[in-house]
Amino acid sequence: DAGVIQSPRHEVTEMGQEVTLRCKPISGHDYLFWYRQTMMRGLELLIYFNNNVPIDDSGMPEDRFSAKMPNASFSTLKIQPSEPRDSAVYFCASSFQQHLGRRYNEQFFGPGTRLTVL
Amino acid sequence: QKEVEQNSGPLSVPEGAIASLNCTYSDRGSQSFFWYRQYSGKSPELIMSIYSNGDKEDGRFTAQLNKASQYVSLLIRDSQPSDSATYLCAVNATNAGKSTFGDGTTLTVKP
Repeated sequence: DAGVIQSPRHEVTEMGQEVTLRCKPISGHDYLFWYRQTMMRGLELLIYFNNNVPIDDSGMPEDRFSAKMPNASFSTLKIQPSEPRDSAVYFCASSFQQHLGRRYNEQFFGPGTRLTVL
Repeated sequence: QKEVEQNSGPLSVPEGAIASLNCTYSDRGSQSFFWYRQYSGKSPELIMSIYSNGDKEDGRFTAQLNKASQYVSLLIRDSQPSDSATYLCAVNATNAGKSTFGDGTTLTVKP
């Protein structure tokens, strides 16, 4: 299995521009998570989906952030307009909750997208 | 009080020693417990999961869970410089798909 795939790996943009981050979860996983990590704030959960449906978006910092999961193999996180304080590493992770009656919830992380907003 | 708390660190141990990482959690209904390792500049990587009270061993790693004390720990035996990383504790509450992460403990193993 290729693992969780994220693109781009690095993104440098100017303030005010739209940024779209992409994620392909591991096939068969029913949960998908978007995180942001900075030195100051650590690892923050932004939003997560179950079977393509957003379950909890309380971590999304403001309306400039939006996320979609149109199908089981693809998700996007969009920032519009971007600001310098959005500079961070954004991780996508996926997991499956139950298998043969047992709960797992083990998350597998993608390599991350390092976003720099100038 | 944070939902998941870890020793702030940094923790430094000599090569070959046992490194002990600790984590406490506030939700008594928590069912799943995880340790992730994150090397600098890399993504978190799952190294241990534990679901019932007691010890779980995997190579040089042992996870210990005590639900009564709401405590989970990770022991690393025969620590190696390659174990130097930040270790994140994560906890899943009952019926929750998401994990709550601690802030992590940075471990340095000195040759």
